[in-house]
Amino acid sequence: DIQMTQSPSSLSASVGDRVTITCRASQRMSSFLNWYQQKPGKAPRLLIYAASILQSGVPSRFSGSGSGTDFTLTISSLQPEDFATYYCLQSFRTPLTFGGGTRVEIK
Amino acid sequence: QITLKESGPTLVKPTQTLTLTCSFSGFSLSTSGVGVGWIRQPPGKALEWLALIYWDDDKHYSPSLKSRLTITKDTSKDQVVLTMTNMDPVDTATYYCAHIPTRFNWNYLNDWGQGILVTVSS
Repeated sequence: DIQMTQSPSSLSASVGDRVTITCRASQRMSSFLNWYQQKPGKAPRLLIYAASILQSGVPSRFSGSGSGTDFTLTISSLQPEDFATYYCLQSFRTPLTFGGGTRVEIK
Repeated sequence: QITLKESGPTLVKPTQTLTLTCSFSGFSLSTSGVGVGWIRQPPGKALEWLALIYWDDDKHYSPSLKSRLTITKDTSKDQVVLTMTNMDPVDTATYYCAHIPTRFNWNYLNDWGQGILVTVSS
C-alpha cells in the first residue's frame, strides 16, 4: 500500500496569507495525486487532480505541484471561504489512500 | 450534470449487515473507463477509501476490510451497491460514493454524493 503523510495536521493563518500543505508518498507514483477541500458537514470537493491540474470552477489562487513522492498544495492568498480541512488522495494504485488531513483555521 | 446520492439505513445493530445504495445520474457505468468508489469518514476523523468498481466489473477493496465488503453495480438502474457484513460500533461513519470519470486518465474521484451517516449501536 502507498502511505500518504500529510503535513501539517493543522495550521492557523490570516486572510491574505500564503498557505502551503504537503503530502509525501511512501513510494513513487508519478503525478497521481489529488487535493480535496472539505467543509464541516459537507462532502469533499475536488480542487486539483494529477498533482497540478485545477478542477473546473476552482479559483486560481489554488495551485498544486510535485511529482514522484512529494506534492504541495498552495493557496496564494487565503480567503475567508478557504477555512476548511484539506486532504490529499493518491490514485496511482489501489488501495487508494488519503492523507490524514490539514485543518486550516483562522488566526 | 453529475449527481450521486447514497441511501440506506442510518442505524444498524452490531453484527448486522449494512447495505448502501449509490444512485447516480449524468454518467453511465457502461461507458469505458468509468468507475464508482465508496469512501467513509468516522466523526471527526479522516477519509478512508473502501471499495470501487469499474465499467468492466473490475472490483477493488480496502485490504483491511476486504473480507467484509462486496460492491456490485446495476447498470440498468444506474446504481452501485456496497454491502458490509458484521457491523461494529467502530464502523459508525458518514459513507460517501464518488464518480471516477476514467481510470485511464489519473483515476481520480471527481463528483461526490452528499453522504449518509450510519450509526452502529444496539
